[in-house]
Amino acid sequence: GAVVSQHPSWVICKSGTSVKIECRSLDFQATTMFWYRQFPKQSLMLMATSNEGSKATYEQGVEKDKFLINHASLTLSTLTVTSAHPEDSSFYICSARDLVSGGYEQFFGPGTRLTVL
Amino acid sequence: AQSVTQPDIHITVSEGASLELRCNYSYGATPYLFWYVQSPGQGLQLLLKYFSGDTLVQGIKGFEAEFKRSQSSFNLRKPSVHWSDAAEYFCAVSNFGNEKLTFGTGTRLTIIP
Repeated sequence: GAVVSQHPSWVICKSGTSVKIECRSLDFQATTMFWYRQFPKQSLMLMATSNEGSKATYEQGVEKDKFLINHASLTLSTLTVTSAHPEDSSFYICSARDLVSGGYEQFFGPGTRLTVL
Repeated sequence: AQSVTQPDIHITVSEGASLELRCNYSYGATPYLFWYVQSPGQGLQLLLKYFSGDTLVQGIKGFEAEFKRSQSSFNLRKPSVHWSDAAEYFCAVSNFGNEKLTFGTGTRLTIIP
């Protein structure tokens, strides 16, 4: 149980285009989802927290107009990198938790490798 | 603000030897503590977690960790490592009422024959 998937697992795009990454909780309802960014050989940095049906809360320094997050259902959150640039190339990881069940544990997806040319 | 320190960037251990990865946290209230493992190009897998109760926590893959409040530490241990344990290990902290996870910088574990 508690499986989180991400799609795509990797994506290459041209500079200036937009890329959408999906995060799905497969066997539980994710009341909260988190988006992280990880640079090579570095730790995970939280970008934003999203609760189903409400606007995402972004961490300081993260541009909300560039990284659009939608959490329209209890099983799906999307991160759209708009007008991507090479510096946006990174490993993006989502996680999900189910507050209703009382669990504080976050379940992580396998990550999406974004390369912007 | 809460923070996590993993003082060892890279550790090399012989297969079959014991392992201890260090983690220190900084937070005023009772922390929720986690250890995650990440293989190259993969997401994170939870090894174990501590919320309350017994300070010695057993996890998957033969790992354990001990919460020591007096030392603000949550070190990860394994009595005998296997080659498949080679990976990046992250310690993380959150707390009741603050759902955000703060990660340490990670420790890369290399296993030699």
